Amino acid sequence: NAGVTQTPKFQVLKTGQSMTLQCAQDMNHEYMSWYRQDPGMGLRLIHYSVGAGITDQGEVPNGYNVSRSTTEDFPLRLLSAAPSQTSVYFCASSPLSPQAGELFFGEGSRLTVL
Amino acid sequence: AQKVTQAQTEISVVEKEDVTLDCVYETRDTTYYLFWYKQPPSGELVFLIRRNSFDEQNEISGRYSWNFQKSTSSFNFTITASQVVDSAVYFCALSEANSGGYQKVTFGTGTKLQVIP
Repeated sequence: NAGVTQTPKFQVLKTGQSMTLQCAQDMNHEYMSWYRQDPGMGLRLIHYSVGAGITDQGEVPNGYNVSRSTTEDFPLRLLSAAPSQTSVYFCASSPLSPQAGELFFGEGSRLTVL
Repeated sequence: AQKVTQAQTEISVVEKEDVTLDCVYETRDTTYYLFWYKQPPSGELVFLIRRNSFDEQNEISGRYSWNFQKSTSSFNFTITASQVVDSAVYFCALSEANSGGYQKVTFGTGTKLQVIP
């Protein structure tokens, strides 16, 4: 099983450029989420989704857009990248009920904005 | 709002020592879930344990044990006889579960554990 797949693993952008971080899971999980990890800040929730067509904001949503057109995919869009968005991004998925399973994480995507 | 505090930023121990990583949480919900994850130097996030708010029974898995105390809102993690392979960043996390489903899962800032040979 592939689990949670994130692409790309590394990306360098210039300020103002746009890009999409892709996340796909093959476990039929309803819940998907995006986190960013910065030194000393832990993992901070950007956006999450509890099913196709349903998304909501996390702690740090500004500068990021998401959509959930299918159960499998949950892309994260940066419309106009800023140096403050330099970070490691993790996508995670799980069954909708925590009783049914924990968050499964992708391997991470390291983004540098110059 | 939910919150997870891991007050220990970094801990260093000598191999074979026992070490406890602290986690204190805040939530207004009566139904919630607590987690521990390990992030080794390679960067991936590895699930260690999940506990729901109705189960205060402590758990042991090999050299790992967890102490959940609702009275103090703590979910501490102990590694017995630490090994170099335990060197990693450890995250505690909290999920409130409205209507039985996942909502926001909040992570603490992590504790970096270094085990010195």
